[in-house]
Amino acid sequence: DSGVTQTPKHLITATGQRVTLRCSPRSGDLSVYWYQQSLDQGLQFLIQYYNGEERAKGNILERFSAQQFPDLHSELNLSSLELGDSALYFCASSVGGPPYEQYFGPGTRLTVT
Amino acid sequence: LAKTTQPISMDSYEGQEVNITCSHNNIATNDYITWYQQFPSQGPRFIIQGYKTKVTNEVASLFIPADRKSSTLSLPRVSLSDTAVYYCLVAVYSSASKIIFGSGTRLSIRP
Repeated sequence: DSGVTQTPKHLITATGQRVTLRCSPRSGDLSVYWYQQSLDQGLQFLIQYYNGEERAKGNILERFSAQQFPDLHSELNLSSLELGDSALYFCASSVGGPPYEQYFGPGTRLTVT
Repeated sequence: LAKTTQPISMDSYEGQEVNITCSHNNIATNDYITWYQQFPSQGPRFIIQGYKTKVTNEVASLFIPADRKSSTLSLPRVSLSDTAVYYCLVAVYSSASKIIFGSGTRLSIRP
């Protein structure tokens, strides 16, 4: 158990819909990262927050957005969903930004039908 | 950006030493090299991290040559439970940090 929690574990929705994925970092960690992993693909970095502020951005689509709240939990919002958005979405946390060790959550499996 | 390149897959046998190499030709001065292990449908798990020369912990060793353009993860005496995907990560230090995981190496261990 990494100490990072993600909800929900599974999510099935239809194209065009909007969903919110939630992540609670390890106690004491200020950084939260979001990753997307499609079937048999590597990890694609989406975005990083540090203590409530956006710190780094990867290949995140404009339909996706995220935020980190004062209690340090984070939410990833995915809108106008497409079939290709079906993937595992991981959240990770670390004490600070890179290169601090990242602790990954169990992931949310999103299926868009 | 420090793009990484790893072998797509590797096979080995229980009890053998396995070395996985990652190429990162454009590594920057402040970049660290980190390796993660991932089992199917689980989040990656940190294995080891280094900046230069050699780092060793209870599960692996990391060798980084002087030019830092590559790194080698060494797993001593592997077992079946080491079957997983191994990712090399080079973390870029800048105000607009980019985090790039390699494509991963799928390691299969046979009895």
